Amino acid sequence: GENVEQHPSTLSVQEGDSAVIKCTYSDSASNYFPWYKQELGKGPQLIIDIRSNVGEKKDQRIAVTLNKTAKHFSLHITETQPEDSAVYFCAARKGQNFVFGPGTRLSVLP
Amino acid sequence: DGGITQSPKYLFRKEGQNVTLSCEQNLNHDAMYWYRQDPGQGLRLIYYSQIVNDFQKGDIAEGYSVSREKKESFPLTVTSAQKNPTAFYLCASSTQGSYNEQFFGPGTRLTVL
Repeated sequence: GENVEQHPSTLSVQEGDSAVIKCTYSDSASNYFPWYKQELGKGPQLIIDIRSNVGEKKDQRIAVTLNKTAKHFSLHITETQPEDSAVYFCAARKGQNFVFGPGTRLSVLP
Repeated sequence: DGGITQSPKYLFRKEGQNVTLSCEQNLNHDAMYWYRQDPGQGLRLIYYSQIVNDFQKGDIAEGYSVSREKKESFPLTVTSAQKNPTAFYLCASSTQGSYNEQFFGPGTRLTVL
């Protein structure tokens, strides 16, 4: 079955700097890759996603890149703000099922 | 206002008791999911349903049961057979199709006393 790894597990950046979180997946049949942001005590919220037929997608300060050959995808957050502090999860979808990475706790220091 | 609702937000249970967590969605989504999240960890799939009156076990189904009698509702029962039930439970839904997003509810925190 699918396995998703995520690095780093924790990440601290200064406000205004960029943050990058990387995920790898094992099943080449996976074709949809969402990223979620989870604040303490709340459900995950979808922040950006990418399909397997696209290499890059951007939405304001957030971007995602996908390398199908290497089977990895990354989340890029530019000009980080304190409100970006949260746990971020990547996921890979194959058919109807999603497999999630273990999460990255991002702390943006003022 | 469309979305997924879960109730209650906090739930306390005595050991040996069954408890049912509610999940309702008005997004007209066919597929619904239950995940368990333990502190500092990712999401693990308990059960999922792609259509009314049908559901499949996920990775950690032992000690849990579900039903899908209506498209909008997918309740999860945590039975006394679940050895470590204290966790944060998340319900999600999505439309059919490989590229479609999955949306989450706010979660229920279950604590067994």
